Amino acid sequence: KNQVEQSPQSLIILEGKNCTLQCNYTVSPFSNLRWYKQDTGRGPVSLTIMTFSENTKSNGRYTATLDADTKQSSLHITASQLSDSASYICVVSDRGSTLGRLYFGRGTQLTVWP
Amino acid sequence: GAGVSQSPSNKVTEKGKDVELRCDPISGHTALYWYRQSLGQGLEFLIYFQGNSAPDKSGLPSDRFSAERTGGSVSTLTIQRTQQEDSAVYLCASSLALTDTQYFGPGTRLTVL
Repeated sequence: KNQVEQSPQSLIILEGKNCTLQCNYTVSPFSNLRWYKQDTGRGPVSLTIMTFSENTKSNGRYTATLDADTKQSSLHITASQLSDSASYICVVSDRGSTLGRLYFGRGTQLTVWP
Repeated sequence: GAGVSQSPSNKVTEKGKDVELRCDPISGHTALYWYRQSLGQGLEFLIYFQGNSAPDKSGLPSDRFSAERTGGSVSTLTIQRTQQEDSAVYLCASSLALTDTQYFGPGTRLTVL
């Protein structure tokens, strides 16, 4: 069964600190992996998209890594800010059909305290 | 406005009624996606369109759900004989192509009484 598991479920850190969120998946065949940030009451915003051949990709203070062999990805947030408080969602796309299907993790709820 | 728009923003309906949700994607985006987010749950993928075609309908929760897209643009998600468990925020997204960044709309909050 294709699944995407994220950990931790929730995380509280102090402003200025770094943190790492994890995503493990069993989706096969793998096409790409996305990280989204979703503020409460808003639609998700894309942070990164990584294909099979990409190991790391950065977007400002966000750095995503991908290990396609172990089927693991991480999202590292550097020098956290209060505005980073949100749900971070990992999404994996398969190549089961010609157009692919998306599988979502439940997200990690990050709270940044001043 | 160049973003994805959805209407209505809120919909309250009685159990058993039909509802229609609308999504206007970003102009030129060929791919369009529908998702559902129930309270306290993650995003649930429902269906996607490449152009006007929806190759994979297996994500739709039941045969009460249907979606169509016309002219490669506007899409409607129809829920027939709504049930209380259909209450959720329904999100629409579009992307230039299937592997590109998806841009989400603000969602339609559906409440079935």
